[in-house]
Amino acid sequence: SQKIEQNSEALNIQEGKTATLTCNYTNYSPAYLQWYRQDPGRGPVFLLLIRENEKEKRKERLKVTFDTTLKQSLFHITASQPADSATYLCALDSGGAQKLVFGQGTRLTINP
Amino acid sequence: DAGVIQSPRHEVTEMGQEVTLRCKPISGHNSLFWYRQTMMRGLELLIYFNNNVPIDDSGMPEDRFSAKMPNASFSTLKIQPSEPRDSAVYFCASSLINYNEQFFGPGTRLTVL
Repeated sequence: SQKIEQNSEALNIQEGKTATLTCNYTNYSPAYLQWYRQDPGRGPVFLLLIRENEKEKRKERLKVTFDTTLKQSLFHITASQPADSATYLCALDSGGAQKLVFGQGTRLTINP
Repeated sequence: DAGVIQSPRHEVTEMGQEVTLRCKPISGHNSLFWYRQTMMRGLELLIYFNNNVPIDDSGMPEDRFSAKMPNASFSTLKIQPSEPRDSAVYFCASSLINYNEQFFGPGTRLTVL
C-alpha cells in the first residue's frame, strides 16, 4: 500500500542547533516533494519544493534533500530559533502533478 | 493581496443539517483545492478544479459531499446531511496550473453535534 510517513510526531531542539525532520514514502514515484509549515489555527504555508532530479535545495536557513533510491527527504533548519516552532508537513505528488498527498506532520519545538 | 479567503471560520451545526463552506481563491489563480484535516487522518485532498472544472473528486468521502465552482473567484463545499464524523478543519487552497506551490486559506473549523 502507499504510505508517506514523517517519522517523528514531535521533536524538541535546543535553540541554535540544527533540526532535522524526515519524510519517507512507500509505493509512490513522485516527480517532486514539497515541505510546508503549519502554525496552530492556520493553513499550511509553502516552504520549499525539490524535484526528483535534484539532490538538495536551500533557502536561507532551510535545506531539503531528496533521495529517490532511499525514498526519503530530509528537511533541515540550521541555527534554529523559537520562532521556527511549528508543525512541518511533507507532501508529494501522487500520480498527478497537482494532486498532493501529505504526511502527518512533525511538531517541532525550539527551546530557548 | 488578500490571500485565500474562507468563510465561515467556525461552524457549529447539528447532525442532519446542511453545511456550506465558501472559498475565494487568490485573484488570477486557476486551480482550486478543497482539503480536510483531522487528527486521525491528517490533511486529505477532497477535490480540485482547474479553470472552474472539477478534475479529480476521488477524495470526496461520499455522496453527502458536493463541491461547485461557478466562477473563477468562488467555490463552495456542501455537506448534506452532516454527520458528527464530518467534524474537521476544511481548507481551501489555490494555485496557478503547472505551478506546484499551493496557497492555503485559514480554514473553516466545522463541528457537527
